[in-house]
Amino acid sequence: EAGVAQSPRYKIIEKRQSVAFWCNPISGHATLYWYQQILGQGPKLLIQFQNNGVVDDSQLPKDRFSAERLKGVDSTLKIQPAKLEDSAVYLCASSQGLAEGYEQYFGPGTRLTVT
Amino acid sequence: KQEVTQIPAALSVPEGENLVLNCSFTDSAIYNLQWFRQDPGKGLTSLLLIQSSQREQTSGRLNASLDKSSGRSTLYIAASQPGDSATYLCAVRGARQLTFGSGTQLTVLP
Repeated sequence: EAGVAQSPRYKIIEKRQSVAFWCNPISGHATLYWYQQILGQGPKLLIQFQNNGVVDDSQLPKDRFSAERLKGVDSTLKIQPAKLEDSAVYLCASSQGLAEGYEQYFGPGTRLTVT
Repeated sequence: KQEVTQIPAALSVPEGENLVLNCSFTDSAIYNLQWFRQDPGKGLTSLLLIQSSQREQTSGRLNASLDKSSGRSTLYIAASQPGDSATYLCAVRGARQLTFGSGTQLTVLP
């Protein structure tokens, strides 16, 4: 079974530029998550989708971050404009469903450096 | 708001030693607790998942325990090897989301 795929793996941009990350979850997984992991910290949930609907985006900085999940499969996370403090690893995860018993599977992440 | 703390932040041990990593959480109303491994530049690999009704889980040289009432979990690694060097994260599943600790960076010296 193929895992969660993310691209690009690395991205370096200047502040005020825009960037987009892509995630392809495990086939058949209805729930998709985006996390932000700042160096030395644990991952923090940004947004959670169930199929193509948003379940929780309470921790997403909506003035600069946006995300969508087209057709309930792939997802894109965008930052516009980027700030220095956005430098982090962005992790995508998926699970079969929302219920608490479903395990989340993580992709390799995209490391963003904002200069 | 759930808070998860991992102590120590970093640990260095000689090869072959048994070791314990600690995780504590503030809200005992959890559904499960998970231990992950993260290698540099990589994503998270799930090691063990303990449901709230369970006391422990074992996989190979790893044993994780859960005391929900006291808000504590431990990950025991037996006979450590240099390949065990990584950051270990614990995460608790509440009603809404998975909350992570900051991790323990483990180095096993040959």
